Amino acid sequence: EAQVTQNPRYLITVTGKKLTVTCSQNMNHEYMSWYRQDPGLGLRQIYYSMNVEVTDKGDVPEGYKVSRKEKRNFPLILESPSPNQTSLYFCASSSREDTDTQYFGPGTRLTVL
Amino acid sequence: DQQVKQNSPSLSVQEGRISILNCDYTNSMFDYFLWYKKYPAEGPTFLISISSIKDKNEDGRFTVFLNKSAKHLSLHIVPSQPGDSAVYFCAASALRGSQGNLIFGKGTKLSVKP
Repeated sequence: EAQVTQNPRYLITVTGKKLTVTCSQNMNHEYMSWYRQDPGLGLRQIYYSMNVEVTDKGDVPEGYKVSRKEKRNFPLILESPSPNQTSLYFCASSSREDTDTQYFGPGTRLTVL
Repeated sequence: DQQVKQNSPSLSVQEGRISILNCDYTNSMFDYFLWYKKYPAEGPTFLISISSIKDKNEDGRFTVFLNKSAKHLSLHIVPSQPGDSAVYFCAASALRGSQGNLIFGKGTKLSVKP
């Protein structure tokens, strides 16, 4: 089954404790992105990647890092999480042939205390 | 500064009627526009897109209209069905589809009443 998986789905952590949210897709997609969704702000792009080893900043990259060492994986790293990074995070992927159809993961709800 | 604006946070429509969701943008570099639908506890799903070289794109019950001079687009759903109740996001990009930097509006919550 074609899908984008994220782990963990829920996470409660404390300020300053490094964490990684994993994202994996099994569709051999070139493009992958990370978004955060906050009430009243909609979806905002954090980082995107157009292929392996090619990443770029979206609208709200501060406090986040990403890497794209393999095509299928695009982890989101919070080196020193802060409470303002409490949010619902979505990973997404799409293929070069059909960039319109972005497949989203189920979301990761992160709470930073 | 919001580059993509959805000024109506919510919209309520009767089943069978037309739903019209609006979106305005400010950046003239945007060349490609997409609509996504999102149910609670799920990721968004792609609905329909339009390139700036067109002024209309239709897919079944969904039609997107683009007015470049007014920097305005709208999504029409005809006829509306209760299953269409969701949050709808408008998104814009300077590149085709979801390549590169994609800017989303804040969303409009559509409620279709039986």
